[in-house]
Amino acid sequence: ETGVTQSPTHLIKTRGQQVTLRCSSQSGHNTVSWYQQALGQGPQFIFQYYREEENGRGNFPPRFSGLQFPNYSSELNVNALELDDSALYLCASSPGQGSYEQYFGPGTRLTVT
Amino acid sequence: GNSVTQMEGPVTLSEEAFLTINCTYTATGYPSLFWYVQYPGEGLQLLLKATKADDKGSNKGFEATYRKETTSFHLEKGSVQVSDSAVYFCALSDRRGSTLGRLYFGRGTQLTVWP
Repeated sequence: ETGVTQSPTHLIKTRGQQVTLRCSSQSGHNTVSWYQQALGQGPQFIFQYYREEENGRGNFPPRFSGLQFPNYSSELNVNALELDDSALYLCASSPGQGSYEQYFGPGTRLTVT
Repeated sequence: GNSVTQMEGPVTLSEEAFLTINCTYTATGYPSLFWYVQYPGEGLQLLLKATKADDKGSNKGFEATYRKETTSFHLEKGSVQVSDSAVYFCALSDRRGSTLGRLYFGRGTQLTVWP
């Protein structure tokens, strides 16, 4: 059984640019959540997708957006990058109905200069 | 609202020492409680969980008991090893929340174990 995978592993962008991060959920999982983990902090919930629809959002501005595809993989898009967006971005998938335990991917380290 | 407060680190111990990392929570509903571990350069791994009051989660020698009366979920291990060196996160999930399994994390506690 393949776990949650994320790409790329590392990314360096310049302030003002746009970035897309990708996540493949674990087989059989229809729910994907995204978290931002700043250095030395705990992960903060960005949003969640359930069956291709956004199903909850944390305290993040609209320049953070996402998609979920029919195969339940997901993208996180961040526009107009700011220095404070530098963080580890974690994707987690869960089976959905009946079990909400989340399984995390290894993360994408984004550095904004 | 939902929040988690955990003991700030770093925590430095000698091998075979006893470990306690304190965690308390605030929740509006009926939370499930978790401990996650993060090794250097990696994502989060679920260490243990408890879904209702008085449940004890355990894994790899680590234990934590869900205490509703003190709103706590302290992590313990009787004899730590060098390989336990990592960052430990306490988290909760409100099972009645509309967002499926959304996790609220503490700030993390860095544990370093010396041989």
